[in-house]
Amino acid sequence: AQKITQTQPGMFVQEKEAVTLDCTYDTSDPSYGLFWYKQPSSGEMIFLIYQGSYDQQNATEGRYSLNFQKARKSANLVISASQLGDSAMYFCAMRGFTGGGNKLTFGTGTQLKVEL
Amino acid sequence: EPEVTQTPSHQVTQMGQEVILRCVPISNHLYFYWYRQILGQKVEFLVSFYNNEISEKSEIFDDQFSVERPDGSNFTLKIRSTKLEDSAMYFCASSDRQGGTEAFFGQGTRLTVV
Repeated sequence: AQKITQTQPGMFVQEKEAVTLDCTYDTSDPSYGLFWYKQPSSGEMIFLIYQGSYDQQNATEGRYSLNFQKARKSANLVISASQLGDSAMYFCAMRGFTGGGNKLTFGTGTQLKVEL
Repeated sequence: EPEVTQTPSHQVTQMGQEVILRCVPISNHLYFYWYRQILGQKVEFLVSFYNNEISEKSEIFDDQFSVERPDGSNFTLKIRSTKLEDSAMYFCASSDRQGGTEAFFGQGTRLTVV
C-alpha cells in the first residue's frame, strides 16, 4: 500500500518569493515515481513534475523543482519566483512500479495563495 | 499538444438515474484510468483499464460502476443508479505505458446528483 502525506492545508507566499510545499510518502515498493499536480480553481489537473525513485538528480521543470530526499521519504515541491497565477491547489502523488499497480495515490493537497 | 478530452464538463442528474461520462484518451496511449474527487477532498483512484479489460479497481468501484472502450477511441464510465454521494468531479487519465513518468488528466466532468 502507498500513502502520501501533505501536512500543509494552506500556504501563503509573496509574489516573486520561493515557496516549498511538503510531501512525504510511504511505500514498500522498491521502485516508484513521485508526481506533482496543480489544480486551479477551474478544476483541471495539470501535471507539473516527475521524480523517479532511482533518479540520481532532483527533477527540475522551469520554475518547479522537486527536492527529493529518499532516505527521509520526502518529495517537496519548490516553486521559485512565485506568480499570482501559481495560486491553486497542489497535489503530490505517487505510483508504485512493482507491487503498487499502475494507479496514482494522491495526498490531500496544499492550497497555495500568492499575494502581492 | 495532445490532450485527454472529457464530456460533458458538467452533468446534473436525478438520484437513481444512469449517467455515462465520456473520455477520449491521447491516441497512442494504452492505459486508461478514472479518478474521483469529492468537493474539497483528495483525488481517489476508481479503476484502471488496459487491453480491453479492468486491470485494477478500488473498493469505491462497486457493481454500480462499469467502464468500457466501445469503439477504440472513447473510454466511458457508467454509473447505473446514481446516489447523492456520487456527486464529485470525475477525471479520466491516460498513460502511454505501465509505470509511465506522466499521467495526463482530462479537464474533468463535474457530476451533481440531486
